[in-house]
Amino acid sequence: SSELTQDPAVSVALGQTVRITCQGDSLRSHYASWYQQKPGQAPVLVIYGQNSRPSGIPDRFSGSGSGDTASFIITGARADDEADYYCHSRDSSGHHLLFGGGTKLTVL
Amino acid sequence: QVQLQQSGPGLVRPSQTLSLSCSASGVSVINGGYPWTWIRHHPGKGLEWIGHVYFRGNTYYNPSLKSRATISIDTSENQFSLELTSMTAADTAVYYCATGTGYSAPDSWGQGTLVTVSS
Repeated sequence: SSELTQDPAVSVALGQTVRITCQGDSLRSHYASWYQQKPGQAPVLVIYGQNSRPSGIPDRFSGSGSGDTASFIITGARADDEADYYCHSRDSSGHHLLFGGGTKLTVL
Repeated sequence: QVQLQQSGPGLVRPSQTLSLSCSASGVSVINGGYPWTWIRHHPGKGLEWIGHVYFRGNTYYNPSLKSRATISIDTSENQFSLELTSMTAADTAVYYCATGTGYSAPDSWGQGTLVTVSS
């Protein structure tokens, strides 16, 4: 399969922990990355290689994965974490990039 | 610091060809280890990978575009470009150029170009 599936929307109370999941067969052979996108802005890479953070990304953000599922976790959600989050990986050939449909995170 | 600056039209007529360019600074297009990539974002929908080109010339495209896309590198201008033929309303989207700067996923993105297909 060449698809990545995400829940369309997730909500979290301020200060609580939230997990956003991404499912796809390609995740069995390729790590997931995660992007945060706010309205009118380009996506920002927040997790790569399943569980690594680029420079400048807070350690409240983390990633994990097992089998065909990858997870993005925010510990201690803040109001400015409200955004769309996309998982990203490659297809089985490794040459084609894939994106999940995105999860809209609401911080209550 | 790698920066990508996009240029190109915001309005394209149906059946015409879209041409977008992405000028790189802080890095040479012949030295990048990560491919030079185009991605688009349809209004209210998710991100869609269009394709990418490696500096040696290998190109890969999203099969859903049915061979309408061409991505190329211009080493003299230190930029890379996208051409998308036979544009329709379904191609209306924000188009981004992107590349990786040492991570295994694109982390440097252009500012985005909203392309509207309309007569």
